[in-house]
Amino acid sequence: GAGVSQTPSNKVTEKGKYVELRCDPISGHTALYWYRQSLGQGPEFLIYFQGTGAADDSGLPNDRFFAVRPEGSVSTLKIQRTERGDSAVYLCASSLFVAGGYNEQFFGPGTRLTVL
Amino acid sequence: ILNVEQSPQSLHVQEGDSTNFTCSFPSSNFYALHWYRWETAKSPEALFVMTLNGDEKKKGRISATLNTKEGYSYLYIKGSQPEDSATYLCAFMRRTGNQFYFGTGTSLTVIP
Repeated sequence: GAGVSQTPSNKVTEKGKYVELRCDPISGHTALYWYRQSLGQGPEFLIYFQGTGAADDSGLPNDRFFAVRPEGSVSTLKIQRTERGDSAVYLCASSLFVAGGYNEQFFGPGTRLTVL
Repeated sequence: ILNVEQSPQSLHVQEGDSTNFTCSFPSSNFYALHWYRWETAKSPEALFVMTLNGDEKKKGRISATLNTKEGYSYLYIKGSQPEDSATYLCAFMRRTGNQFYFGTGTSLTVIP
């Protein structure tokens, strides 16, 4: 079956521009996560959705970052007024959600964002 | 800030050599420890999920152990092959919350 997909695979933009990164989770997965991997670091948590709502957005670095999941499937990560420090690989993951149980996360291939 | 560390940062081995990496994580509030293999431009691939102290898991030539009391996990690759070249990430999950805390990864290059 189809895994998690992310588009675009690569995005080059100029400082100050607005970008949108898309994540298509595995069908039926109610939980969706965004992570960011900057150069030389491990992936860092950004935001977690349960259905349509952001259950935990504590990892978003500042108010230039925003994510939506209006219908509980596809999610878009939006970055306003991009800065060079936003350059990173943005990973999306999805999982089923079983309350009180273990929920394995399945990852997409990531979007490599380069801000010039 | 929750600290998950991996060592070494990178490793070059000859084909046929065996190798191992380390992941260290906080020993309190432990829920699960994951190992992922990540090749460039591909999705991270789950290798193991480990939840119990003393767990040992094996998949082909790759195996992993877990010590939750002291906060470390080892990943072993026996008889490395060029196709094993990838970044190996460990990810720690706490009992509270749903997010992963990743290490910085170990980049393995197997030289034919």
